[in-house]
Amino acid sequence: DTEVTQTPKHLVMGMTNKKSLKCEQHMGHRAMYWYKQKAKKPPELMFVYSYEKLSINESVPSRFSPECPNSSLLNLHLHALQPEDSALYLCASSQRGETGRTIYFGEGSWLTVV
Amino acid sequence: AQTVTQSQPEMSVQEAETVTLSCTYDTSESDYYLFWYKQPPSRQMILVIRQEAYKQQNATENRFSVNFQKAAKSFSLKISDSQLGDAAMYFCAYRSNTNAGKSTFGDGTTLTVKP
Repeated sequence: DTEVTQTPKHLVMGMTNKKSLKCEQHMGHRAMYWYKQKAKKPPELMFVYSYEKLSINESVPSRFSPECPNSSLLNLHLHALQPEDSALYLCASSQRGETGRTIYFGEGSWLTVV
Repeated sequence: AQTVTQSQPEMSVQEAETVTLSCTYDTSESDYYLFWYKQPPSRQMILVIRQEAYKQQNATENRFSVNFQKAAKSFSLKISDSQLGDAAMYFCAYRSNTNAGKSTFGDGTTLTVKP
């Protein structure tokens, strides 16, 4: 089973709202990732958690706040977003973060900021 | 820094025919992994095939196979007996096995399958 589950699948939020994206995996993976993807572009890495600790932050604006409550869960808290933040947000996991293990992706959460 | 280049923004193939998608990469590392991911209109990124750089044998997964040329830094994907469900954007990706776990993706190739 190589399933990464993301909720919600679609989210529309105003620029003053606070919302969260959630991600869950039960493969025993110890690395989890957030990617942002615009239409017809490759995914862009935002954050990496390795063993529940933030190991990579790709200079993401503070209006995006990741959280890893345990090894199976990953959240992305959203606050005061801009319309240009509208995109597909992909969660992913891999067995470990530091090495070249395969990354498995969830179905993504479509975010629209109005 | 590693780079991944997919020189074909769009490709098309007739159903049941064979198509090859190109990918080249640049790295100074010797230990790494290469992947092909498929992203259909539903937008989920699905792993198609992976290749460990230390393995000389080309990876295969049913109708999907790769031609891995390490010296030339080339990693092409061959899809045999193409099916309508193969229509998607395909991304080639590089992942180091020694540095921090970042992946580098190519810009993607959109594959159309004609009935």
